[in-house]
Amino acid sequence: SQQGEEDPQALSIQEGENATMNCSYKTSINNLQWYRQNSGRGLVHLILIRSNEREKHSGRLRVTLDTSKKSSSLLITASRAADTASYFCATAPSSNTGKLIFGQGTTLQVKP
Amino acid sequence: EAEVAQSPRYKITEKSQAVAFWCDPISGHATLYWYRQILGQGPELLVQFQDESVVDDSQLPKDRFSAERLKGVDSTLKIQPAELGDSAMYLCASSDEHGTSGRVEQFFGPGTRLTVL
Repeated sequence: SQQGEEDPQALSIQEGENATMNCSYKTSINNLQWYRQNSGRGLVHLILIRSNEREKHSGRLRVTLDTSKKSSSLLITASRAADTASYFCATAPSSNTGKLIFGQGTTLQVKP
Repeated sequence: EAEVAQSPRYKITEKSQAVAFWCDPISGHATLYWYRQILGQGPELLVQFQDESVVDDSQLPKDRFSAERLKGVDSTLKIQPAELGDSAMYLCASSDEHGTSGRVEQFFGPGTRLTVL
């Protein structure tokens, strides 16, 4: 069963705009990770934030984590057409052994 | 750059037939995962190996699915017999020896797209 709920399910923006995706989860976690998946391909790791961290940056990506609300957000700034993909949050439950539980994903379309 | 290899990339089969998928993880990665991803959904873990041992197969439909990693390197996932509902993308991923702590990223292969007719 999938733990994460992502919002929105789909997002369409113009190139240059910012894109924000949200993820909520149910159980306590060790860390939360974001992955990108281009159509019909495997997933690519974007960023990992640990449960004791509140914010993390990587290039044009900014991730926040609020463990009290069991939620995370991924912000992509100055979006490009190449950012068009599906984005998934994945939680590593604190009681588990490395297993990741993925959300349903947000499909992002960036129009040139 | 090292990658996770999977084959075949696409497989079409009729229901009740047997199918097998192969995965070769990144060299040195002790932890290997098989996921199933239904169209429009996120990946769902089927089985996790640490070296040659199964760590988690709680979501593996054991009446028809089997997985092995005999020498702790490459792995095979088998479905017998295939059912219509098995149509999905089957993804393999690997992580290094600290993967069981959940603190490291997983590296995914390109997946095998299975269609059951």
